[in-house]
Amino acid sequence: GESVGLHLPTLSVQEGDNSIINCAYSNSASDYFIWYKQESGKGPQFIIDIRSNMDKRQGQRVTVLLNKTVKHLSLQIAATQPGDSAVYFCAETPDSSYKLIFGSGTRLLVRP
Amino acid sequence: ETGVTQTPRHLVMGMTNKKSLKCEQHLGHNAMYWYKQSAKKPLELMFVYSLEERVENNSVPSRFSPECPNSSHLFLHLHTLQPEDSALYLCASSQDENQPQHFGDGTRLSIL
Repeated sequence: GESVGLHLPTLSVQEGDNSIINCAYSNSASDYFIWYKQESGKGPQFIIDIRSNMDKRQGQRVTVLLNKTVKHLSLQIAATQPGDSAVYFCAETPDSSYKLIFGSGTRLLVRP
Repeated sequence: ETGVTQTPRHLVMGMTNKKSLKCEQHLGHNAMYWYKQSAKKPLELMFVYSLEERVENNSVPSRFSPECPNSSHLFLHLHTLQPEDSALYLCASSQDENQPQHFGDGTRLSIL
């Protein structure tokens, strides 16, 4: 990813295991949340989103959970693959605006 | 392919040069964005345009000047940049506010 220099938390998982990446967001007025994946040399890639009227949403091998009470968001990746190795960012949109506020990211390393 | 194309991919310039970054989106979206991703900070929103009008005005130095001639094209004009402006500049687009933003792969800018 392009966040070299930032001290990114790193999650190391065995191939085939499930991964859980956590994010604490800051604004209780945020009503839209997105998870992005960023591989080295590329821009952030949209994975999945969730709105504040939901607490869970599933995609292909991914699930996002939203806990508004504690302002916590998580991304679960099932059967993690080497191609899942990347930096993962959560992002929030306060007040239904154009503004997207990004977290600092988590690096996921998948061990073969 | 994300549908958002940025050129050039790499740019090296002196502090007194003037250059422009270009972004084109092929997704039929109404909103376009410029972000800065540096080694020491999370992704920062710089500018937002919706239907060619600027809708977000973050605190960005005047040495960065955006231009949005139509809803498919976005430029970032650069002049008299500083070494701390070296970063990855990302363009994104979305259908509207509160919608997923889709990113290009960025321009890696180095200021000598």
